[in-house]
Amino acid sequence: AQSVAQPEDQVNVAEGNPLTVKCTYSVSGNPYLFWYVQYPNRGLQFLLKYITGDNLVKGSYGFEAEFNKSQTSFHLKKPSALVSDSALYFCAVRAPSSSASKIIFGSGTRLSIRP
Amino acid sequence: DAGVTQSPTHLIKTRGQHVTLRCSPISGHKSVSWYQQVLGQGPQFIFQYYEKEERGRGNFPDRFSARQFPNYSSELNVNALLLGDSALYLCASSLWTTNTEAFFGQGTRLTVV
Repeated sequence: AQSVAQPEDQVNVAEGNPLTVKCTYSVSGNPYLFWYVQYPNRGLQFLLKYITGDNLVKGSYGFEAEFNKSQTSFHLKKPSALVSDSALYFCAVRAPSSSASKIIFGSGTRLSIRP
Repeated sequence: DAGVTQSPTHLIKTRGQHVTLRCSPISGHKSVSWYQQVLGQGPQFIFQYYEKEERGRGNFPDRFSARQFPNYSSELNVNALLLGDSALYLCASSLWTTNTEAFFGQGTRLTVV
């Protein structure tokens, strides 16, 4: 069975500092991995995805994520955090054999950037 | 282009009632999925529809049903509402390929009292 774990409920970072939001996954075969962000009272916004190729993928708003197959991880990173990055972040996985939209989400990590 | 649109944005219902939520996908997207997001949790997959046929179902009771119309819009129906059905219901549209991302609407906030 597919699963996603986000071990941190909350991450606190000072503005200007680098940030990392952790994600590990469990899936049979090569996974399709995604990060989404959710602002208060809003739907999910797509940030980036890993399908194949380079392990470091770049996405929206300066975010990037590193795929590590041996550690089954897909951590979200940003070199310099902004206050406006404060939101709820979800890691998600889809197995290659799954239908196109059946995505398994993690429980979410609340990112708080202090000025 | 318009994104995924959902209606209504907010809804309050009484236990035992029935509710219908609506979703219009991005133009050109033929696959629509529904997710339930309970407060404090990640979204949970309910249904996927493609070309008007159900292509996937999550672990939800039969009180939940859905359909897709010829214009690819979709409805989610929930019967005999329970307090535990209170959640944000998200609709996602995508192309019918596994290597593309799903695009989400802003959701319908359902409160059951």
